[in-house]
Amino acid sequence: NAGVTQTPKFQVLKTGQSMTLQCAQDMNHEYMSWYRQDPGMGLRLIHYSVGAGITDQGEVPNGYNVSRSTTEDFPLRLLSAAPSQTSVYFCASSYPTARGYTFGSGTRLTVV
Amino acid sequence: RKEVEQDPGPFNVPEGATVAFNCTYSNSASQSFFWYRQDCRKEPKLLMSVYSSGNEDGRFTAQLNRASQYISLLIRDSKLSDSATYLCVVNREYGNKLVFGAGTILRVKS
Repeated sequence: NAGVTQTPKFQVLKTGQSMTLQCAQDMNHEYMSWYRQDPGMGLRLIHYSVGAGITDQGEVPNGYNVSRSTTEDFPLRLLSAAPSQTSVYFCASSYPTARGYTFGSGTRLTVV
Repeated sequence: RKEVEQDPGPFNVPEGATVAFNCTYSNSASQSFFWYRQDCRKEPKLLMSVYSSGNEDGRFTAQLNRASQYISLLIRDSKLSDSATYLCVVNREYGNKLVFGAGTILRVKS
């Protein structure tokens, strides 16, 4: 049972490049979310999904797109990378009950 | 004002000490509450849920006061392995949208 798997673990991008952060879970969780973590600010919600085909914006969605074509996968796309998107990105999944989320190990992204 | 506020610390305590962390939240519609633990350069991991009746898991006790919008975590008999950042987390009503505090750093020293 792998839990939540994120790839890549590290990435360096040049300003203006695009890329997709991958997230997959094998726990049949309906809810999935993307967070970014910056020093002193805690984790902030980027986008979330309550099931396949359903996504919505979180607190800091600008510059990011998501889609949820299957229950297992929830990729995050950076459209045109900016230095302000340098951060650690966490994907998380959960059942639709108040049990809390399981997090992936994160992707450390640097935009130069 | 942040929706979830925590004292950032660090709390430096000796092994065996009892330490308490506090957290306040501003959204009275928040439905559920958690403490997560995050080790350096790792992902957050669920430590325990928090209920109004109070709940205990070994050396850890969590308490919720809805009237004051206040959450606490008590760690007894601190171990070196308890050194981490402790994140106070509340869950908004729809979509399981977690809101995180910035975290409290705990350092347990021998």
